[in-house]
This record gives sequence, structure tokens and C-alpha cells, in this order.
Amino acid sequence: TTLTQSPAIISATPGDTVNISCRASQDIDDDLNWYQQKPGEGINFIIQEASSLVPGVPPRFRGSGYGTDFTLTIDNMESEDAAYYFCLQHDRFPYSFGQGTKLEIK
Amino acid sequence: QVQLVESGGGVVQPGGSLRLSCAGSGFTFSSYGMHWVRQAPGKGLEWVAAIWYDGAFTKYADSVKGRFTISRDNVESTMSLHMNSLRADDTAVYYCARDIGTFDYWGQGTLVTVSS
Repeated sequence: TTLTQSPAIISATPGDTVNISCRASQDIDDDLNWYQQKPGEGINFIIQEASSLVPGVPPRFRGSGYGTDFTLTIDNMESEDAAYYFCLQHDRFPYSFGQGTKLEIK
Repeated sequence: QVQLVESGGGVVQPGGSLRLSCAGSGFTFSSYGMHWVRQAPGKGLEWVAAIWYDGAFTKYADSVKGRFTISRDNVESTMSLHMNSLRADDTAVYYCARDIGTFDYWGQGTLVTVSS
């Protein structure tokens, strides 16, 4: 299953709403997660099963979608949200990842 | 707290071998499947291999099948990736990740560079 993630880079101002898309080449139900990666800080699990917020993650992060189209939304973005974000499908092997989105602060 | 720590990365010549390790702590290692995932420089992530909680089953990406072997030692709470016939395109940061039906915790990664 190929995951097409867009955009590759997004530049936003604190307070903006940011949307990142992940499109699957076939139906994966809700077997999609979102992760945040910051240099030197490792990889953080933020959204599971397409729309469930991982405990401890700020509620400004939202996931939506089912089947083939998924979106990660960051409401009222904060400067600390600058990071690399990627999606993962775990519906079937081989698991696959989106190409990632770099979120920059304007 | 849950911790995963990878080790064993380094520089190796094409055709060479390397063994990576992942040490788990802060959880019952023997109850969880584990995975290896890699990220080539400037590229996206690629799933590499998986091993079931008891080691009974394994799965591999086509790109590494026949060259890499995943294994685990539940007494020592470690997982390994034996990599043979290494190629330049195996150059990447290799991460281990815990499986809860998906990946929840990841290690910090270890860099493997295949170069002459």
C-alpha cells in the first residue's frame, strides 16, 4: 500500500491551522497513525487509528479520515510544533509510510 | 518508562555485515512484537522487518529478504538485526519500534553507513 503525503513542506505562523494529507493507494480502514519527529528528540506517537489522540498529546492535534483519505490537523499551531510529521499504515504487510511533511515556522 | 535503545551502527564496506541490537526496558519485552524501520538520509521511512512477541514468526521487506535476519532474546530483553551483503542503499538510520498492533514507542536510532 502506497501512502502519498502532502505537502512536503509547509510554512505557517503560530495561531494558524495546519492540514497535512495522507492518501492510501487502497482501502486501509482506519489503520493509519500519525507521528511527529523532532531532531534530537526522537519520534512521538500522536494519532492512532486515524482519529484517536494518543494520551498526553495536546488536543490541538486532530486526525480524521477513513478508507483512503486521511488528514492531520493542527489547530492554533504553536512554535513548538515545528517538526517532521509522517503517516504510517499498519493495515497489512509490508507496513508503509508517507514521505513526510516538514512543518516550518514563518 | 518505556525505553528502546539501539546500538551497533557504524561504517561498513559494500558486501559486508553488521549486527544491530535493540534493548528494551520499562515494559514486559516478551509480550510485544518488535520491528525495525529505517530512514535513509533525506528520505522517508521504510519498514524493514518484524518479529512476533515469542519469536515464532518473522516478516521482511522485499528489499532486505534473504540478506537480513531479525531475532530476539526475551531473557535479555533484546532484539537483533543481522545484516549481510550490505549495499550502499542500505545506508540509513535504523530504528526499533514496539508493536501494540501498531508502533507506539521508538528508539533514537543507530546510523549504518555502507561505503568503501
